[in-house]
Amino acid sequence: EAGVAQSPRYKIIEKRQSVAFWCNPISGHATLYWYQQILGQGPKLLIQFQNNGVVDDSQLPKDRFSAERLKGVDSTLKIQPAKLEDSAVYLCASSLPPRRSVNTEAFFGQGTRLTVV
Amino acid sequence: QQQVKQSPQSLIVQKGGISIINCAYENTAFDYFPWYQQFPGKGPALLIAIRPDVSEKKEGRFTISFNKSAKQFSLHIMDSQPGDSATYFCAASTDSWGKLQFGAGTQVVVTP
Repeated sequence: EAGVAQSPRYKIIEKRQSVAFWCNPISGHATLYWYQQILGQGPKLLIQFQNNGVVDDSQLPKDRFSAERLKGVDSTLKIQPAKLEDSAVYLCASSLPPRRSVNTEAFFGQGTRLTVV
Repeated sequence: QQQVKQSPQSLIVQKGGISIINCAYENTAFDYFPWYQQFPGKGPALLIAIRPDVSEKKEGRFTISFNKSAKQFSLHIMDSQPGDSATYFCAASTDSWGKLQFGAGTQVVVTP
């Protein structure tokens, strides 16, 4: 079965430029997550969608980061303007909707490695 | 604030040995504790998970031990193999959230 698809795999930009990442989740997965993984750290949630609605964006730096999930399927994450500290791997994950007492495994894409110079 | 603390940061073990990684959490609302394995250039992949109503879960060479009163859980990799060399992350979540709080990760190197 197809997994979570992300593009591009790598991106190098200069600070203050903008960048966008794309994610296509596993078919049928209503929940989509964007995580930021800085080198040597665990992934940190940026935003969680349920279908096309935002469930949690408390950790998203909203002055520069934005995300959308049109039609409840694909999602894009944008950074504008980028800072040096945004250098990280951006991981997209998807799962079935969270349910009590049911393990809803999150499946991760390979990520987009962003380098800001 | 780091809700899940993981140790050690790195681990070197000989082939056939036992790798042990420990995690501690603070939020008693957590009710789902997965371990993820990540190889270089890949996204994390679920390895094994446990709920707080059991104290141990075993899948092949991988075992999770869970201590609810101490708010700690650990991953044991038995008969470690070179193919197990990867970074391992513990995580915690609640069913109602779905989102995962990850530990900082442990880089495991299994020498031949």
